[in-house]
Amino acid sequence: DGGITQSPKYLFRKEGQNVTLSCEQNLNHDAMYWYRQDPGQGLRLIYYSQIVNDFQKGDIAEGYSVSREKKESFPLTVTSAQKNPTAFYLCASSMEGWGNQPQHFGDGTRLSIL
Amino acid sequence: GEDVEQSLFLSVREGDSSVINCTYTDSSSTYLYWYKQEPGAGLQLLTYIFSNMDMKQDQRLTVLLNKKDKHLSLRIADTQTGDSAIYFCAEGFMDSNYQLIWGAGTKLIIKP
Repeated sequence: DGGITQSPKYLFRKEGQNVTLSCEQNLNHDAMYWYRQDPGQGLRLIYYSQIVNDFQKGDIAEGYSVSREKKESFPLTVTSAQKNPTAFYLCASSMEGWGNQPQHFGDGTRLSIL
Repeated sequence: GEDVEQSLFLSVREGDSSVINCTYTDSSSTYLYWYKQEPGAGLQLLTYIFSNMDMKQDQRLTVLLNKKDKHLSLRIADTQTGDSAIYFCAEGFMDSNYQLIWGAGTKLIIKP
């Protein structure tokens, strides 16, 4: 079955630590996205990538970094500079990076501070 | 700037119809989407409507679009306990803007 796999499902971060969230897709989609979801709020875009080896900052990129070395993979690193990282993180992909293409989501990673 | 608004909660009785509303500000959107999120899970695409359509029906789901009032609604017929979730609407644009503009989500609560 084609889809998007996020891992781990739960992640804990210590103070001063960087952690990396994995996102893999086998849908052959060009575009991939990372969102942050806080309780009672909509989705906020962290980073997006329309093609391999290219990515752009979203609305709340500070304290996060990404890479896109392979079409299938778009890992997100939450750095120690992100002072409030506790949230639900969602990865998505779409066939192309335009607003007329529906985005398909993984099941999310819940990040908490130890 | 663009904005999408939804009520935070909707409570309906099992078997009744649910109508979830969404208003948006930017009329240049091309597609309008409805997503469903169950607890602890990602978002599932339910349906979407092209901006030159007024209505789209898909089994128990009916989407109505009023472009003049910039109002979008999702009607779920014969609401079941499995419909309990958060429903998000989102606007998409057919230009260089990659983003979808998201509402905050409506939590649908089903009363027995």
